[in-house]
Amino acid sequence: QITLKESGPTLVKPTQTLTLTCTFSGFSLSTNGVGVAWIRQPPGKALEWLALIYWDDDKRYRPSLKSRLTITKDTSKNQVVLTMTDMDPVDTATYYCARRYVSGLTPGSWFDPWGQGTLVTVSS
Amino acid sequence: DIQMTQSPSSLSASVGDRVTITCRASQSITSYLNWYQQKPGKAPKLLIYAASSLQSGVPSRFSGSGSGTDFTLTISSLQPEDFATYYCQQSYSSLPYTFGQGTKLEI
Repeated sequence: QITLKESGPTLVKPTQTLTLTCTFSGFSLSTNGVGVAWIRQPPGKALEWLALIYWDDDKRYRPSLKSRLTITKDTSKNQVVLTMTDMDPVDTATYYCARRYVSGLTPGSWFDPWGQGTLVTVSS
Repeated sequence: DIQMTQSPSSLSASVGDRVTITCRASQSITSYLNWYQQKPGKAPKLLIYAASSLQSGVPSRFSGSGSGTDFTLTISSLQPEDFATYYCQQSYSSLPYTFGQGTKLEI
């Protein structure tokens, strides 16, 4: 069974740095093609992809947020960490991590499964 | 960015109805299109990947079709547990991956 779980602060102040940890089990981030992504969802709004780290340590960031985001992995601990600097109230959202999966037989990639999410509120 | 536009934004239907949700990409994404279901307070769940492949464990009343820029998610006979919000997502370009704005399916 594959599971992911997000952890981190529920409340951060404006200008602070947010650090979130995704702890997963049931798969290895050393497996060819596998990745872990961070996706967020402001209250009542749509999903927004933030960052992705691949098995080979390649990284992708949302261009509009690239200067504020850093994603790293600790394969031995089965963890992926996302840091976001200079937090603002508009960054208030539920933050999800999800496994990025590819199949050799079908095109593209997809996010499955997802963690339960963690609500982060940015307020002074 | 590849923009994903879903229609309608909300939809009222009844148990047993056949429902279709559409998703349009701002450029061709071939078959790199996924569908997710999200219930209130829960994480999204993958339903369909690669435009038409049913994820394991998902009921066969869900189906997906399309290629290029136009895609559809069809629920052949709505069940009470299907009332949720549905999102499409393209994986053609990872810079950035993008989702539609969502379609809320209500009773």
